[in-house]
Amino acid sequence: DVQLVQSGAEVRKPGESLKISCKGSGYKFTTYWIAWVRQMPGKGLEWMAMIYAGDSETRVSPSFQGQVTLSIDTSTDTAYLQWSSLKASDSGMYFCARLFGAKEVDLWGQGTLVTVSS
Amino acid sequence: QTVVTQEPSLTVSPGGTVTLTCASTTGAVTFGSYANWLQQKPGQAPRTLIYSSTNKHSWTPARFSGSLLGGKAALTLSDVQPEDEADYYCLLYSGGTHVFGGGTKLTVL
Repeated sequence: DVQLVQSGAEVRKPGESLKISCKGSGYKFTTYWIAWVRQMPGKGLEWMAMIYAGDSETRVSPSFQGQVTLSIDTSTDTAYLQWSSLKASDSGMYFCARLFGAKEVDLWGQGTLVTVSS
Repeated sequence: QTVVTQEPSLTVSPGGTVTLTCASTTGAVTFGSYANWLQQKPGQAPRTLIYSSTNKHSWTPARFSGSLLGGKAALTLSDVQPEDEADYYCLLYSGGTHVFGGGTKLTVL
């Protein structure tokens, strides 16, 4: 099956670091972009950033510039989203999604819930 | 920065037809906007129904169709079913980046 499987829910304190993952399977991972999308509780979807799994070219939305880091491990077909110093406002559900043609989304991960609280 | 607007909420009767729209502050939505329509039910991940404004994925029910209408992207649901009650988001490619609309909460009543 073609799928994206994300890592499990995380709870952290403000100021801590975090890295969540999105593992692709059933397709040639390095020929697609992976996007990250945030959904804060009770709110809509926000486009954060995208990374090309073939060469790690990254495009970050201005709203998230400098806030997050994207990376790829081609040995495990896994994309990562990381924070170096979390804030309470980073709490939310984070989805990864596969893009085709760098412009359109087809496949979604199940989401990772991040809770940042002291 | 592009802002994408959708109707906040719509209500439709079972068996009826409803059209959701998606507009951009930067001008008309065109095929070059690569409009995607996503459905999200409570507690679930989004699911993409329409891509490139009008194309369906293999999993998209036939009653969903996408179009460009009067400078906007549109999603039309025909013969609406109770299970179509959900939030619907459009996603546009604009100025080298992607922007979501605020979403439409569709109630089937």
